[in-house]
Amino acid sequence: QVQLQESGPGLVKPSETLSLTCAVSGDSITNNYWSWIRQPPGKGLEWIGYVHSSGTTNSNPSLRGRVTLSVDTSKNRFSLDLTSVTAADTGVYHCARGKATPYDWGQGTLVTVSS
Amino acid sequence: DIQMTQSPSSLSASVGDRVTITCQASQDITTSLNWFQKKPGKAPKLLMYGASNLETGVPSRFSGSGSGTDFTFTISSLQAEDIATYYCQQYDNLPPTFGGGTKVEIK
Repeated sequence: QVQLQESGPGLVKPSETLSLTCAVSGDSITNNYWSWIRQPPGKGLEWIGYVHSSGTTNSNPSLRGRVTLSVDTSKNRFSLDLTSVTAADTGVYHCARGKATPYDWGQGTLVTVSS
Repeated sequence: DIQMTQSPSSLSASVGDRVTITCQASQDITTSLNWFQKKPGKAPKLLMYGASNLETGVPSRFSGSGSGTDFTFTISSLQAEDIATYYCQQYDNLPPTFGGGTKVEIK
């Protein structure tokens, strides 16, 4: 069974870039879609976007072009960069396998945006 | 974006009770609906897809129904291990959107 593990800084300063990586084990990252989903404290789940192993991406228009998604097939992992963060970007970030349906999820990592 | 309205936001029931959660979409999504279970500190788990299809390995006490804009998720006999927050999610249109969640507790 596929396992996903998020990693990255737990604290990011306002206006800086939030960068997270998701390590995939138990499955090849190739020929698959991979997603990011987040949950602000006390709020609902928000789909951030997906990336295919070919490099094709799609992200939530609500994030207004601040999102970059990428894949590293040599390391079987994929990444999220979110620029110009504000306190509203604080939350638990999950990576997942799938395009519009997240079939398998990571446990999530808490990222706090604060100076 | 398609808005997903889930109710109730929380419920308390006894072990063995039948539990029902509803999810309403702001427009027709046919049967493009998933249900997820989220336990504290654990990864969310896909329980149902296509509104009524049980994911492999998920107990048969879980079921789902509906199409168009109105959907129902049922636990036929609540077990202690079902304590969690449940979310619906539509995948008919991008971006996929989630309901606000229903927290299920034991009375």
